[in-house]
Amino acid sequence: GAGVSQSPSNKVTEKGKDVELRCDPISGHTALYWYRQSLGQGLEFLIYFQGNSAPDKSGLPSDRFSAERTGGSVSTLTIQRTQQEDSAVYLCASIPGGAGAAGELFFGEGSRLTVL
Amino acid sequence: AQRVTQPEKLLSVFKGAPVELKCNYSYSGSPELFWYVQYSRQRLQLLLRHISRESIKGFTADLNKGETSFHLKKPFAQEEDSAMYYCALKGYNFNKFYFGSGTKLNVKP
Repeated sequence: GAGVSQSPSNKVTEKGKDVELRCDPISGHTALYWYRQSLGQGLEFLIYFQGNSAPDKSGLPSDRFSAERTGGSVSTLTIQRTQQEDSAVYLCASIPGGAGAAGELFFGEGSRLTVL
Repeated sequence: AQRVTQPEKLLSVFKGAPVELKCNYSYSGSPELFWYVQYSRQRLQLLLRHISRESIKGFTADLNKGETSFHLKKPFAQEEDSAMYYCALKGYNFNKFYFGSGTKLNVKP
């Protein structure tokens, strides 16, 4: 596709339910990031995938959060037993050639999660 | 620790007035700094990066290592500049980009 694609664009769920958010990066981009955008909090780094290397999970806020990237392309962020504080916009970004390259992140439009 | 600080949550100026969005960073070594912008109903996108020393849409940003700042400036603001602006730092291990909390710029007619 022409850009980073995320789905769903909006998700409303009840507290305690599990949710999956999907990211389809730009074809050929080897690095993929997940960020969380909360009102007044800026962008919080969650996880980073680079090729076949082990992901950098250091930003995941709790063990309820996990992510995988299949075949070096599509990524899924899973939040188990959602809590109200998980409500935010979850942004995916990809970058060609890894983060050591030119440095421009290409963002998706985000998935807005609302936990009731 | 690597950190990016944007002290202003909201900045309102009139059209034609100069604008400066502040960004300070904490980093040891030579930083790579960026400004990203998010217009209403659009995705976050790169505005400019310090290594390019470019001017985009009339905006410039100069890296001041002594003051650890990377303020974004434009001499004459336009209404279409109204957006959310994020300052970002590329970290030590090149994996992470650290973002500030963002400044919402509102340019009034």
